[in-house]
Amino acid sequence: DTEVTQTPKHLVMGMTNKKSLKCEQHMGHRAMYWYKQKAKKPPELMFVYSYEKLSINESVPSRFSPECPNSSLLNLHLHALQPEDSALYLCASRRLLLNTEAFFGQGTRLTVV
Amino acid sequence: KNEVEQSPQNLTAQEGEFITINCSYSVGISALHWLQQHPGGGIVSLFMLSSGKKKHGRLIATINIQEKHSSLHITASHPRDSAVYICAVISQGAQKLVFGQGTRLTINP
Repeated sequence: DTEVTQTPKHLVMGMTNKKSLKCEQHMGHRAMYWYKQKAKKPPELMFVYSYEKLSINESVPSRFSPECPNSSLLNLHLHALQPEDSALYLCASRRLLLNTEAFFGQGTRLTVV
Repeated sequence: KNEVEQSPQNLTAQEGEFITINCSYSVGISALHWLQQHPGGGIVSLFMLSSGKKKHGRLIATINIQEKHSSLHITASHPRDSAVYICAVISQGAQKLVFGQGTRLTINP
């Protein structure tokens, strides 16, 4: 199994809603990442988890709250988002060794209305 | 100046042409990824390189660590190769992938 699975594929939410994005991998990767990608731009790093602990937070607003409940699962909890948060949210994972390949999910297309 | 620069930003070619996309980086790296992204889609890793050259089907990737430069070549290009190609580096000792701006490739039949 070399997949990173993200759910849902599409999400439309209001600015007062609370929702969660989910990312799952069963490759034994101990580094997991959340990226945000706006149209025609490269992905921007949001968070990195190493061994289920948050190791990098790229100054992301608190309305985005990551969680890594176990080594296979990464969540991104969303609350009180703004329309400008609409984007493709990508999850990635890799082994925590030098020169190891990153695997990406298909992304969740989020629209905030 | 970005740490990872790609050229060209946009490339349009006819089916069958030989394609080259370039990537230069300014930081020390442990490895470099070439990634492919179709419109609205997720990202697929094509290659990960730390030295030399790799080939997979019609795709060839090379890296010159001394010159801090990598190239992605596509032979006998096909319309289904139309996508955004992204160069990303894993900087030495870091956990992050640093992305280039991407090259939007369009292959016309």
